[in-house]
Amino acid sequence: QAVVTQEPSLTVSPGGTVTLTCGSSTGAVTSGHYPYWFQQKPGQAPRTLIYDTSNKHSWTPARFSGSLLGGKAALTLSGAQPEDEAEYYCLLSYSGAFWVFGGGTKLTVL
Amino acid sequence: QVQLQESGPGLVKPSQTLSLTCTVSGGSISSGGYYWSWIRQHPGKGLEWIGYIYYSGSTYYNPSLKSRVTISVDTSKNQFSLKLSSVTAADTAVYYCARDGGILTGYDYWGQGTLVTVSS
Repeated sequence: QAVVTQEPSLTVSPGGTVTLTCGSSTGAVTSGHYPYWFQQKPGQAPRTLIYDTSNKHSWTPARFSGSLLGGKAALTLSGAQPEDEAEYYCLLSYSGAFWVFGGGTKLTVL
Repeated sequence: QVQLQESGPGLVKPSQTLSLTCTVSGGSISSGGYYWSWIRQHPGKGLEWIGYIYYSGSTYYNPSLKSRVTISVDTSKNQFSLKLSSVTAADTAVYYCARDGGILTGYDYWGQGTLVTVSS
């Protein structure tokens, strides 16, 4: 089964910019993997930030954006806020038949 | 406003079948275009996609769990369910139900999650 990889942890300064990436053991991540990005804070259910590579929900802060970058899916946070400190997960589709989560990135705003 | 709520036993004995139900309110489970999903999270760990059922009844499962998982839907009760057989301690997790609108809306609604512990 495919393995989806994310940075275990990243740190960003308040107001700074950081990019989280999501790779696949099967090769380059493409739009055909329909990448999703989720934010999860302790004790809460995950919340979708990005779906289908770059689409945002109505509740997604404008400072978050999704893209494909260097064969990976990417989530960029521009202008980090203290409330953005959380765990971030990506999710990729494989042949439209099953989905695999990445291991998550713990983002610290410090 | 669509709401999802998981329900079921919080404690299951090893080798038995874990059964959970997700009740959907504020919207019809029969309405087209949605994948009704189950996702779990082992204590202190990441998320694991279990599978989903499309409104038409088609099911898609995680290959690593496929031999033990069944997801079904009861449109009369506006519910969908998860059954996981032959459980072990490794199946101890918080189980979430969620609605996935695919490329149109993504995962837009989640349940709060329910902890299921497998122990004798």
